[in-house]
Amino acid sequence: QKEVEQNSGPLSVPEGAIASLNCTYSDRGSQSFFWYRQYSGKSPELIMSIYSNGDKEDGRFTAQLNKASQYVSLLIRDSQPSDSATYLCAVNTGGYGQNFVFGPGTRLSVLP
Amino acid sequence: DTAVSQTPKYLVTQMGNDKSIKCEQNLGHDTMYWYKQDSKKFLKIMFSYNNKELIINETVPNRFSPKSPDKAHLNLHINSLELGDSAVYFCASSQDNGGNTEAFFGQGTRLTVV
Repeated sequence: QKEVEQNSGPLSVPEGAIASLNCTYSDRGSQSFFWYRQYSGKSPELIMSIYSNGDKEDGRFTAQLNKASQYVSLLIRDSQPSDSATYLCAVNTGGYGQNFVFGPGTRLSVLP
Repeated sequence: DTAVSQTPKYLVTQMGNDKSIKCEQNLGHDTMYWYKQDSKKFLKIMFSYNNKELIINETVPNRFSPKSPDKAHLNLHINSLELGDSAVYFCASSQDNGGNTEAFFGQGTRLTVV
């Protein structure tokens, strides 16, 4: 069974600090990896995608992928109170028709 | 200009009723999905369709039946609703290009069964 695991949190960081979110996945055939942010009562929105090993930076966000360790992470620099949300790690196992498997999410709270 | 839209946004109904949720995407995507998010916020796939063909059919009660009249629409019909069906149901879509693609979500339908 394909699984994606995350620490459920809550993870609390002070404003301006770096928030570090982690994710592991079980299916070695997984091809692409995503971080979604979900505010309470809203739908998940994509904030980062990463397809190859290494780091990918976009503004204050950096995604890191290590396929050998089956590990994905998200760093949020200069955390803001508006970053407080649940962060969902998702893995696309690819193939015909796609299959996005989500982790349980990590709740992040950025304290002013 | 909404990319993935689902209706209704809220649905309150009694046990035993039959209800439908509709979803439409205007992104030209090949694949559409239904996800269920329970009270613990875990987002779990229920079904996926690729070009109107059922691809994924996870272990859900057969009271749930998806229907895809065309590749831009994927509806979810639920028979004999039960209290445990209360959740938020999300429709999503993605382009089928071999794996490097993301899923776009609708705004969700909060179903409450009383």
